[in-house]
Amino acid sequence: GEQVEQLPSILRVQEGSSASINCTYENSASNYFPWYKQEPGENPKLIIDIRSNMERKQTQGLIVLLDKKAKRFSLHITDTQPGDSAMYFCAASADSGTYQRFGTGTKLQVVP
Amino acid sequence: NAGVIQTPRHKVTGKGQEATLWCEPISGHSAVFWYRQTIVQGLEFLTYFRNQAPIDDSGMPKERFSAQMPNQSHSTLKIQSTQPQDSAVYLCASSLDISNERLFFGHGTKLSVL
Repeated sequence: GEQVEQLPSILRVQEGSSASINCTYENSASNYFPWYKQEPGENPKLIIDIRSNMERKQTQGLIVLLDKKAKRFSLHITDTQPGDSAMYFCAASADSGTYQRFGTGTKLQVVP
Repeated sequence: NAGVIQTPRHKVTGKGQEATLWCEPISGHSAVFWYRQTIVQGLEFLTYFRNQAPIDDSGMPKERFSAQMPNQSHSTLKIQSTQPQDSAVYLCASSLDISNERLFFGHGTKLSVL
């Protein structure tokens, strides 16, 4: 199997708190794990990605963790702001010649 | 750099009609992907080209869907005899080279089949 599971489907957090989204994958050959943010009416845009040679990556309030043994990766948004409200998609792909498989998405709502 | 350009942004067809969707990838990108997005199914892979050659069309409904990339500057997705269940946002994306690179998505074509 090559499914990518993503949870939760809806996440509501208080402004200033952290938000965490989790994904699992089945294909042990997967080695690239991007995260995309999609705002209403817009196209998905990459916000951060991690490759299998890393366990942690951080950029501008975003942290991605990768646990290859558990086939699990996660996105953590620190100090959430209203502008973080959007759909978030995780994806996974293996070596050259394969496409990115997407999770089903998480709708993040940051409330004041 | 205008990004990935998709036309039209919206298309309304009657059941049984044909729909052709267009995509212009970012110049210099050699990989072009088509995905379909719905509320229920999320982002579903359809097909993928590399250097204009079809690589994987495993996500394409075989009977009515076809995709081509006649040159490096555009790809088309054609749906024959459209059905209401084809209603979705069709997203085209391109990446620099191999598939393990970030995707740049177009704004999509919202297809509505009445």
